[in-house]
Amino acid sequence: QKEVEQDPGPLSVPEGAIVSLNCTYSNSAFQYFMWYRQYSRKGPELLMYTYSSGNKEDGRFTAQVDKSSKYISLFIRDSQPSDSATYLCAMSVTGNQFYFGTGTSLTVIP
Amino acid sequence: SAVISQKPSRDICQRGTSLTIQCQVDSQVTMMFWYRQQPGQSLTLIATANQGSEATYESGFVIDKFPISRPNLTFSTLTVSNMSPEDSSIYLCSVTTGEDRFFGPGTRLTVL
Repeated sequence: QKEVEQDPGPLSVPEGAIVSLNCTYSNSAFQYFMWYRQYSRKGPELLMYTYSSGNKEDGRFTAQVDKSSKYISLFIRDSQPSDSATYLCAMSVTGNQFYFGTGTSLTVIP
Repeated sequence: SAVISQKPSRDICQRGTSLTIQCQVDSQVTMMFWYRQQPGQSLTLIATANQGSEATYESGFVIDKFPISRPNLTFSTLTVSNMSPEDSSIYLCSVTTGEDRFFGPGTRLTVL
């Protein structure tokens, strides 16, 4: 069983839609949860960072962590064509060793 | 945050040759990481490079194949040796500041 599972998509939505991206994990010791956005031919950039459970909001982006279900989500409201990218979830126990999902490819159609 | 640059951005190489990838960070960092990103797969950590000591390699990666240098706190190199087509991938340099991990733009390697 992989440490982190992520649906690769691809996901295609119309502009303005609400997007939900998800990851599940198997290690209950994970405490740090990250979402990275990776544009084509670029390196991943940190989008959201959450420690332990709960929600975190930053503009149009909301990250949720449900440790009881070992499930994390990233919601994008009012999606824009500029949100088209691959989104990777990542997790860590101590903040040192990171475990990444395979990434979900998102296309927002104007 | 940290700004990371990598050279080259891409290269096409012949089987059996070697390529050295450079990573430069705009601030001093203790640990630098080298990842491989293959299509449809998650980012895979190759090794962790600390200044002044030998790199620590993950399972499945060996120093003879992926020698790493870390001469100072802002620079590292990764060499992909005796390349085969299976080494075709994106290679990413990464650093940690606090709990955040930042990535360079990557080096896209194609081995023919």
